[in-house]
Amino acid sequence: EVQLVQSGAEVKKPGESLKISCKGSGYSFTSYWIGWVRQMPGKGLEWMGIIYPGDSDTRYSPSFQGQVTISADKSISTAYLQWSSLKASDTAMYYCARLRGVVRDAFDIWGQGTMVTVSS
Amino acid sequence: EIVLTQSPATLSLSPGERATLSCRASQSVSSYLAWYQQKPGQAPRLLIYDASNRATGIPARFSGSGSGTDFTLTISSLEPEDFAVYYCQQRSNWPPLYTFGQGTKLEIK
Repeated sequence: EVQLVQSGAEVKKPGESLKISCKGSGYSFTSYWIGWVRQMPGKGLEWMGIIYPGDSDTRYSPSFQGQVTISADKSISTAYLQWSSLKASDTAMYYCARLRGVVRDAFDIWGQGTMVTVSS
Repeated sequence: EIVLTQSPATLSLSPGERATLSCRASQSVSSYLAWYQQKPGQAPRLLIYDASNRATGIPARFSGSGSGTDFTLTISSLEPEDFAVYYCQQRSNWPPLYTFGQGTKLEIK
């Protein structure tokens, strides 16, 4: 079964760092781009960026460039999203999702989401 | 940046009725238009890609149409499990920008 499994919920304080993960299985992890999508409480979906685990080529949404870092470790089929200094406004559900095939036009497999809560 | 505008914001219908959801782009997106369904507490699920192709396992009552700037998701006969929020999404030319619409909530009347 093709799936993405994300790390568990996190509760952090403003200013702390955080790295969440997304592990792929059931397919060739190095052959598909992985994206990250933010969903703030009660709001819609926002694309943050994508990474190609095969060579770690990474592209960011202008809205998130410099705010987060996307990385991957292909040896363990895992992608990451990290913050160096969290803000309360980073409170959201974060999804990883696989981009569909060569066309890379849509996200066909989604992780279950990681809830990040930032509060003092 | 391409903006996707979905309408209506909320659609109230009964099981068995036909649902028509709209997604309009601020400029042409070719056919790189996808639709997702999201139920409360769940991750989104891909329904339609390339404007009109059903994703794996998606029932035939879901169909997509359109090109350029105007796209439609149609659910031919609503089942109880179809009441959810629906998002459209586009991909601009490489290097990519992916944009989601603000969503349409399909609720039981």
